[in-house]
Amino acid sequence: DAKTTQPPSMDCAEGRAANLPCNHSTISGNEYVYWYRQIHSQGPQYIIHGLKNNETNEMASLIITEDRKSSTLILPHATLRDTAVYYCIVRGPEGKLIFGQGTELSVKP
Amino acid sequence: EPEVTQTPSHQVTQMGQEVILRCVPISNHLYFYWYRQILGQKVEFLVSFYNNEISEKSEIFDDQFSVERPDGSNFTLKIRSTKLEDSAMYFCASTKDLGQSYEQYFGPGTRLTVT
Repeated sequence: DAKTTQPPSMDCAEGRAANLPCNHSTISGNEYVYWYRQIHSQGPQYIIHGLKNNETNEMASLIITEDRKSSTLILPHATLRDTAVYYCIVRGPEGKLIFGQGTELSVKP
Repeated sequence: EPEVTQTPSHQVTQMGQEVILRCVPISNHLYFYWYRQILGQKVEFLVSFYNNEISEKSEIFDDQFSVERPDGSNFTLKIRSTKLEDSAMYFCASTKDLGQSYEQYFGPGTRLTVT
């Protein structure tokens, strides 16, 4: 079973920041949080990952709480092309990714 | 930018037939995976592969499934006798290392339709 919980859906206005929350209260000390997204039935696309520090790349920012029990993915200026299902994943030791249902983000004009 | 490729993009087969789905992982990656996604459902792990051996497999990956790395570039998933319930998107993924800081990259998928 997935070790994370996410809201099933969210809306965001185009051009605004999209903040996607994730709970991972059972995460172990050396486990990273990974974020992927899936547009329609395309292959999951890697977005960002982190351990305990906040991370930023060209796609998004990841904010991890100090106790590491939750995190937030931030898309700073959402566009219509960011409409997708976003998955927050705590990766297993053998590398496999256990996907939950994710959050379906709808970016609206 | 290097990417994982998969062929064919869509495969239609009759129940009971054998199918082989092909993947070319990123060239310097060492760990390979297959996942599947039945329409409308979540992505499910099937199998991981390293050093020419299966390192982990799920309950879905029964005797009808097999994986192989026949040469230095291809990674294949074979389904010996397809069933209707094998209809799904199949995604190949690869990663350079199992260290937690290494991300997994996915291919575009093969849509398998069993009739």
